[in-house]
Amino acid sequence: GQNIDQPTEMTATEGAIVQINCTYQTSGFNGLFWYQQHAGEAPTFLSYNVLDGLEEKGRFSSFLSRSKGYSYLLLKELQMKDSASYLCAVMADDYKLSFGAGTTVTVRA
Amino acid sequence: IAGITQAPTSQILAAGRRMTLRCTQDMRHNAMYWYRQDLGLGLRLIHYSNTAGTTGKGEVPDGYSVSRANTDDFPLTLASAVPSQTSVYFCASSDQAGGYNEQFFGPGTRLTVL
Repeated sequence: GQNIDQPTEMTATEGAIVQINCTYQTSGFNGLFWYQQHAGEAPTFLSYNVLDGLEEKGRFSSFLSRSKGYSYLLLKELQMKDSASYLCAVMADDYKLSFGAGTTVTVRA
Repeated sequence: IAGITQAPTSQILAAGRRMTLRCTQDMRHNAMYWYRQDLGLGLRLIHYSNTAGTTGKGEVPDGYSVSRANTDDFPLTLASAVPSQTSVYFCASSDQAGGYNEQFFGPGTRLTVL
């Protein structure tokens, strides 16, 4: 089976930066995805990494190190609307996504 | 454009009853998926279909069945519901299975089995 770990909860102040770490052990690797999920809603795609390095997309950036089985999602200039769960998902050899349990981020004024 | 729709939005079901959750997408995506989401466990794949006419088992397929008669529809059936199937069910689709193919999720069905 696949093993994907991320912290359960994080709290940060509006305007600050938060880094959500994700470590994984999977049978092969075909890419890592980050999804955002607001309470009571469907997950929505944020980013995809398949090569090592940093991918930047506006206030959100995602980093991957395949040799370390490690990724992080960086949220900059936090806004109240960023309060949500952030899901790390790895695509393994079978081309199916395995999800971590998610990290709930609470942004405080 | 609706994307992916699911029905019903929520349902309370007596144990032992049969239930079909409906999922329809209008994006002409080849691949479709059913997940369940439980607190502390994240999203877990139940069944998938890489293309119309084919289906496969995911991580937690027991007690569930699916069919893919056409590109747009991917119903999930619980033949005899049990309380452990209480969960939020999400249907998703992607253009192709694998690689950089973002999965688009439906709004979910909240199912309670008593």
